[in-house]
Amino acid sequence: QQQVKQSPQSLIVQKGGISIINCAYENTAFDYFPWYQQFPGKGPALLIAIRPDVSEKKEGRFTISFNKSAKQFSLHIMDSQPGDSATYFCAASNRGTGRRALTFGSGTRLQVQP
Amino acid sequence: GAVVSQHPSWVICKSGTSVKIECRSLDFQATTMFWYRQFPKQSLMLMATSNEGSKATYEQGVEKDKFLINHASLTLSTLTVTSAHPEDSSFYICSARGGIQETQYFGPGTRLLVL
Repeated sequence: QQQVKQSPQSLIVQKGGISIINCAYENTAFDYFPWYQQFPGKGPALLIAIRPDVSEKKEGRFTISFNKSAKQFSLHIMDSQPGDSATYFCAASNRGTGRRALTFGSGTRLQVQP
Repeated sequence: GAVVSQHPSWVICKSGTSVKIECRSLDFQATTMFWYRQFPKQSLMLMATSNEGSKATYEQGVEKDKFLINHASLTLSTLTVTSAHPEDSSFYICSARGGIQETQYFGPGTRLLVL
């Protein structure tokens, strides 16, 4: 019930291409969906986040698409750059739990080839 | 933006010793702090949640007596790995959020190697 499923496990994209990472959840109580970027040996950094009352959010080259009825959300990275090569995690949290603990997806290792 | 620091960034210790890791929120009051563990090429696993001035809430399967958490102030939480063993070697990451914020800000992580 708390699981967030993320795909693909790894992704190779050419420079300038679009990277797409997908996540699906089961718990309809989730009401906050952030994406984090993590470089090797570093802590995750918040990239962009969305709430279920909107279907899309864009910040620069990063866009989250959210489909509430399908319980799916995805991250699109436009004009992918070698510097975007990192591991990306989707996550979800539930206000009802009070503490707002994040449930993470399994991660996607993105490699952008020059 | 909100900044969370961790100290030390890496530590090597002998089996049987205890190691303390500090997590600080530098520019906001962290009412809730979280501790995660991450093995190579894996996702983050939540170990425990701590609120300032109260006992930590541990996730199922995490030994309370082995991983001692103290959230003594609104800017500091500590994780002590007691009687560390090689299997405790991992990347430990803290995060913090303030008030009613949903956003968690993560520290840079601490690499622990137990010999």
